[in-house]
Parts: sequence; structure tokens; C-alpha cells
Amino acid sequence: DGGITQSPKYLFRKEGQNVTLSCEQNLNHDAMYWYRQDPGQGLRLIYYSQIVNDFQKGDIAEGYSVSREKKESFPLTVTSAQKNPTAFYLCASSISPYNEQFFGPGTRLTVL
Amino acid sequence: QKEVEQNSGPLSVPEGAIASLNCTYSDRGSQSFFWYRQYSGKSPELIMSIYSNGDKEDGRFTAQLNKASQYVSLLIRDSQPSDSATYLCAGMNYGGSQGNLIFGKGTKLSVKP
Repeated sequence: DGGITQSPKYLFRKEGQNVTLSCEQNLNHDAMYWYRQDPGQGLRLIYYSQIVNDFQKGDIAEGYSVSREKKESFPLTVTSAQKNPTAFYLCASSISPYNEQFFGPGTRLTVL
Repeated sequence: QKEVEQNSGPLSVPEGAIASLNCTYSDRGSQSFFWYRQYSGKSPELIMSIYSNGDKEDGRFTAQLNKASQYVSLLIRDSQPSDSATYLCAGMNYGGSQGNLIFGKGTKLSVKP
């Protein structure tokens, strides 16, 4: 089955820890994205990548880092510098940056 | 600041009625628009894309775009309780280097049996 997978589904982080969220797609899409969603808020773009080995900051990149070493994978690291990381994290991909985006199932991160 | 505005709702309609969801956008350069459905606790699911002025129909869903008025709408005919969800409107401007989507905050729809 083609699609986007994210793991884990739920993640708990202690203060001061870095955590990495996984996003994999087998749709052969060039572009991948990370969004954050807070209750009652719209989706906010964290990072995006249009092609392997290249990525750009979105609107709220501070405290986050990414890599894009393979076309199918775009992991997101939430660092200890992110002061309020509790949120629903959504990975998306699109065949090109100018096409519709499809979302993975999301990872819910909670800081303990 | 490029914005997409939606009434947060909740919009409540009886089963079988037409639900009308509206969206306005500030960026005149936006060229493509998308409607996503998001069930509580789940990720957004793409349900409609519209690229040109006028109506686009897909089953019970009709998207309408009026670029002169900077207005996008989604009509859901014969609404069902399973349509109860938050609907996100998003616009895309091809003029930017990344073609990223700008999302509204969503309208919560409740369909009463």
C-alpha cells in the first residue's frame, strides 16, 4: 500500500530531552513537510524539503531540526530549545511543491 | 501577512440538509485551493481541490471558487452524521519559491441525526 507513515503515534518527552519523529513515504513524492497543530489552531509549517539533501525553514523552525538524506524519509528532531513542544505533529508529502499535499497519521508529543 | 479565514463554528445542520462552509483569503496571488476534512484526533484528509473559478463537483461535495471576491466554499449535500468533522481550507500561491499551503483554522461541522 502506498502512503505516509509516522512513528511513534504517541511520544512523551522529559524536559531537556531531544526526541526524533519519524516520517516515511513510499509515494515517490519529491516534497515533504512538517507541520505542528495546537488545539483550536491552524497548521503551522515547521520545515519543508523540495528535494533530497535540501530543506528550508518554515514559519516556526526555532527549536526544531530536520534531515533529508533519502527521498522517502524526512525525520524531525524536537530539541530541548523548543520551549513548548506539546502538540500534534503532522508530516505531509506532495509529488511536487505545487501539488496537493497528503498527510500521515500524525505523532502526538507530550512533555512531562 | 497571507491569511485564510474561516468561521470556527460549530456549524450545526440536520441530517440530510446542505452544509455550507466558507473561506476567504487575503493573498490575491493564491491560485489553488484545497479542502481537507479532519476528524477529532486524526490527521487531515484531502477531499477537494479547485484551481479555477466556478464550481467543481465530486459526489456529495461541491467546491466553489470566486477569485475576484477571494472566496472559496464547500457545499456538502445530503449531510450525514459521518460528515461531522473539522473542515480546513487551504490556499497555495505558485509565485513563492516553495508553493506552500496557507491553512485556515478550520470550521467544525456537526450533523445531527
